[in-house]
Amino acid sequence: QSVLTQPPSVSGAPGQRVTISCTGSSSNIGAGYDVHWYRQLPGTAPKLLIYGNSNRPSGVPDRFSGSKSGTSASLAITGLQAEDEADYYCQSYDISLSGWVFGGGTKLTVL
Amino acid sequence: QVQLQESGPGLVKPSQTLSLTCTVSGGSISSGGYYWSWIRQHPGKGLEWIGYIYFTGSTYYNPSLRSRVTISLDTSKIQFSLRLSSVTAADTAIYYCARVEGAGTVDFWGQGTLVTVSS
Repeated sequence: QSVLTQPPSVSGAPGQRVTISCTGSSSNIGAGYDVHWYRQLPGTAPKLLIYGNSNRPSGVPDRFSGSKSGTSASLAITGLQAEDEADYYCQSYDISLSGWVFGGGTKLTVL
Repeated sequence: QVQLQESGPGLVKPSQTLSLTCTVSGGSISSGGYYWSWIRQHPGKGLEWIGYIYFTGSTYYNPSLRSRVTISLDTSKIQFSLRLSSVTAADTAIYYCARVEGAGTVDFWGQGTLVTVSS
């Protein structure tokens, strides 16, 4: 059971918009800690997608955006492309565990 | 560009100790600002933080693994290591070493190494 809860799967057709939620609690996201997002393609290591809730590293298209409100955060992907099919993970800091934690991951399927 | 590379046995017997080393190139592990981490991923599952070490030698371990984990730093070799004792089949996973910058983002990952616990 992950400290941060993500839907196991989401799907969308090419060109559509999808969102992936990351629900935490008052000991992590709700305590004001930043949320980061990673994308993991099959057989590869995760790669940073969004940092500090809503910032994109260099090279990440603006189709990807992040937001945070209260005890939750969301990753939005617009203009879905086949190459977006991957697993997505959120990450934050948890004060009760005194360490960083990941969400359980969400598998995005492009229909 | 920082690069990290895991090395170590791919097969460990139950009850033995899993030992992995991460070699860092393109950067220093003896200066502040980064947390040198181990993260694992059980087959087909999500990511689990094992722990990290700071250049001062201070460490953090996941409470669920704390009694079995040791992470150490060898600045002369630009390496950091993971030891996980008394392993069981439940420790079979892909083990990643990673660099975490101060705000908590994992900015560089190793490619990962699969460790299987089996007799």
